[in-house]
Amino acid sequence: EAQVTQNPRYLITVTGKKLTVTCSQNMNHEYMSWYRQDPGLGLRQIYYSMNVEVTDKGDVPEGYKVSRKEKRNFPLILESPSPNQTSLYFCASSFLRYTEAFFGQGTRLTVV
Amino acid sequence: QQQVKQSPQSLIVQKGGISIINCAYENTAFDYFPWYQQFPGKGPALLIAIRPDVSEKKEGRFTISFNKSAKQFSLHIMDSQPGDSATYFCAASGSGGSNYKLTFGKGTLLTVNP
Repeated sequence: EAQVTQNPRYLITVTGKKLTVTCSQNMNHEYMSWYRQDPGLGLRQIYYSMNVEVTDKGDVPEGYKVSRKEKRNFPLILESPSPNQTSLYFCASSFLRYTEAFFGQGTRLTVV
Repeated sequence: QQQVKQSPQSLIVQKGGISIINCAYENTAFDYFPWYQQFPGKGPALLIAIRPDVSEKKEGRFTISFNKSAKQFSLHIMDSQPGDSATYFCAASGSGGSNYKLTFGKGTLLTVNP
């Protein structure tokens, strides 16, 4: 089954404690990205990757890092989380432009 | 700067009725316009998409209407069903650069009453 898998689904952490949200896809997609979803704001892109070792900033990259060491994995790293990063995070992947973007189930992060 | 404006924020429709959600965009470089459907606790899933070379696309009960000159597009759900109750996002993507980023509208919460 084609899917994007994120872990964990839920996470509560404290300010400043580094965390990583994992994302893995089994469709051999080159393109992967991270979005955050906030009430009333829709989804906004954080970072994206065109291929292994190729990453770039999206619209709201501050406070986040990513890496793409393998084609299937695209982890999101919060080095020093702050309460304003409390949000619902989605990883997505797609093959080409103009094709369907597949989203993971989401990770609900709370930073206290 | 909000590049894709979506309305209404919420919509209540009776079973069997027509649901209409509208979006307007500003960036003329956008050339791919998908609609995503999201159920509670799930990630968005592609519903239907359109390119600017056609003015309308229909898939079952779902139709996208596209007006390039007005920079507007809309989703019509015919014979709306309670199972259609979800949040709908319009999105747009541009042809330039290496980022396949989707720029999303803020979403419309659709409730279909039985």
